Amino acid sequence: NAGVIQTPRHKVTGKGQEATLWCEPISGHSAVFWYRQTIVQGLEFLTYFRNQAPIDDSGMPKERFSAQMPNQSHSTLKIQSTQPQDSAVYLCASSPDWASAETLYFGSGTRLTVL
Amino acid sequence: GDSVTQTEGLVTVTEGLPVMLNCTYQTAYSDVAFFWYVQYLNEAPKLLLRSSTDNKRTEHQGFHATLHKSSSSFHLQKSSVQLSDSALYYCALINQGGSAKLIFGEGTKLTVSS
Repeated sequence: NAGVIQTPRHKVTGKGQEATLWCEPISGHSAVFWYRQTIVQGLEFLTYFRNQAPIDDSGMPKERFSAQMPNQSHSTLKIQSTQPQDSAVYLCASSPDWASAETLYFGSGTRLTVL
Repeated sequence: GDSVTQTEGLVTVTEGLPVMLNCTYQTAYSDVAFFWYVQYLNEAPKLLLRSSTDNKRTEHQGFHATLHKSSSSFHLQKSSVQLSDSALYYCALINQGGSAKLIFGEGTKLTVSS
């Protein structure tokens, strides 16, 4: 079991460019979550999928952020027109229990730096 | 909505001494569970312990926490810290009757010095 895999580990973009972050959840896990980690805010919930269906995207900045889960083996988080304030570590997590995702298994994250 | 507050951003403790990391919460729901996650340097966050029972002590890896609904708190404690306990600690809650997502606090960085 390789755990949750996130790629790339580091991404640097220029202001206004697009960034796509990838996540491969643990095989068999039915719930996939995206969080943003910063020193000031801690772990901020962005969105989550259950059996590939979007369930709650209440944490997503609406205009530039989008997330998809086209199949059970991967999810993507896309940020359009990146801004310096988007710089953060983006963490993907999966959970085996879709009914109550209490135990999250996190990936190592993608550190996004927007210049 | 639900929220978790960790007032200490940074806590420094000498090895062998006790520590308490504060966690308070706000929620309008009664069917709620609480967690502590730990993140070591350059690693992913992972579950440390969990509780949903009022006034019941939960222990794991030498750490313990007791949920006190009367004071809306779930503080993390250890009687004698080790250098290896240096990490980032997050308190979190989940509303089991609502959207199945963990709400995290801001995190507390614990540094243990020799």
